[in-house]
Amino acid sequence: RKEVEQDPGPFNVPEGATVAFNCTYSNSASQSFFWYRQDCRKEPKLLMSVYSSGNEDGRFTAQLNRASQYISLLIRDSKLSDSATYLCVPSGSARQLTFGSGTQLTVLP
Amino acid sequence: IAGITQAPTSQILAAGRRMTLRCTQDMRHNAMYWYRQDLGLGLRLIHYSNTAGTTGKGEVPDGYSVSRANTDDFPLTLASAVPSQTSVYFCATAGGNTGELFFGEGSRLTVL
Repeated sequence: RKEVEQDPGPFNVPEGATVAFNCTYSNSASQSFFWYRQDCRKEPKLLMSVYSSGNEDGRFTAQLNRASQYISLLIRDSKLSDSATYLCVPSGSARQLTFGSGTQLTVLP
Repeated sequence: IAGITQAPTSQILAAGRRMTLRCTQDMRHNAMYWYRQDLGLGLRLIHYSNTAGTTGKGEVPDGYSVSRANTDDFPLTLASAVPSQTSVYFCATAGGNTGELFFGEGSRLTVL
């Protein structure tokens, strides 16, 4: 089993839709989790950190299920500007960070 | 300098040539990393440095070397470039206890 697995997509959704991505991880010792956003040909940027069961920031909600070892990212009221690749990262020490290959989202007008 | 800077942003290189990708930060972070990103494979760690004077191997270190003479600089060297090293290279730093990584804008390298 890969350390981090994400559905690569692509997810094509209309503007205003709600979309959710899942990410499964194999290291049960991971304590914190991150979702990064990466625009085409750009560097990844932190979208959200998850240290307990979940986190919410505006239209974005991250949920952690430690028993099943997955984290999800929910985006409500999708905007065109949400189109990007979303990377899931369970953490250990930083050199143990393993990035998922990402889920591609396209929000359509 | 603001944050983390990489150079060059893009380079085409003949196979067999030596190439150094530069990475400089002004965030005073101890930890620095080099990743490569290839389509469908995500970000893979090449080398890392937890603090000035120390370096370590990541997931895909072969064909690459790094040095960390000071806190700010973390160059990545390809001693003899091969076409399979064609990729986008990202330098990153991590500071504090959050685990968050801060990335440079990337260096796109093509080896012919």
